[in-house]
Amino acid sequence: AQKVTQAQTEISVVEKEDVTLDCVYETRDTTYYLFWYKQPPSGELVFLIRRNSFDEQNEISGRYSWNFQKSTSSFNFTITASQVVDSAVYFCALSDPIGSSNTGKLIFGQGTTLQVKP
Amino acid sequence: EAGVTQSPTHLIKTRGQQATLRCSPISGHTSVYWYQQALGLGLQFLLWYDEGEERNRGNFPPRFSGRQFPNYSSELNVNALELEDSALYLCASSPGGAGEQFFGPGTRLTVL
Repeated sequence: AQKVTQAQTEISVVEKEDVTLDCVYETRDTTYYLFWYKQPPSGELVFLIRRNSFDEQNEISGRYSWNFQKSTSSFNFTITASQVVDSAVYFCALSDPIGSSNTGKLIFGQGTTLQVKP
Repeated sequence: EAGVTQSPTHLIKTRGQQATLRCSPISGHTSVYWYQQALGLGLQFLLWYDEGEERNRGNFPPRFSGRQFPNYSSELNVNALELEDSALYLCASSPGGAGEQFFGPGTRLTVL
């Protein structure tokens, strides 16, 4: 069965610190997508990144970076020089297989609440 | 480009009533998804509609139903409301049945 685990329930850092959010997933599929979403207090889920299972290249976007390691089934997210506006709940998610057997469903982790203090 | 829109923002109902939630996808997106985010239960997949057809449903009772209209907007209906149906209902859309889903702001349903 597919599963996403975000072991860190809450993280609190001081502004300008770097912070890494962990995500570990389980799947028997060989092709799939991984995602990170941000949910600010307003409630809307904001898409951050999508990763294909066959592309293990790390990605950097401004202060955000993602480390995908298929060997350890992990897809970790690092925020460099955190800011107060980064305070939110962050969700890691796993898709069904890419292709005809896709069910449209995303499996979400329980989320990590990040609090960045000034 | 307008994002996914949902209405109403908040909905208060009493137990046993019916609730109707609406969603308009991003222009050009044919797939609409519904998720429930209940306190302590995380984000749970409810339904997936694509090209007017229900493609998949999550592990929810039949009193959760919906439909997708020819303009790809969607409606989620919850009949015989129970207290535990109180949650944030999120709608998402995508160009097809795979890849990233773009979410709306949600409808917060409170059942008294």
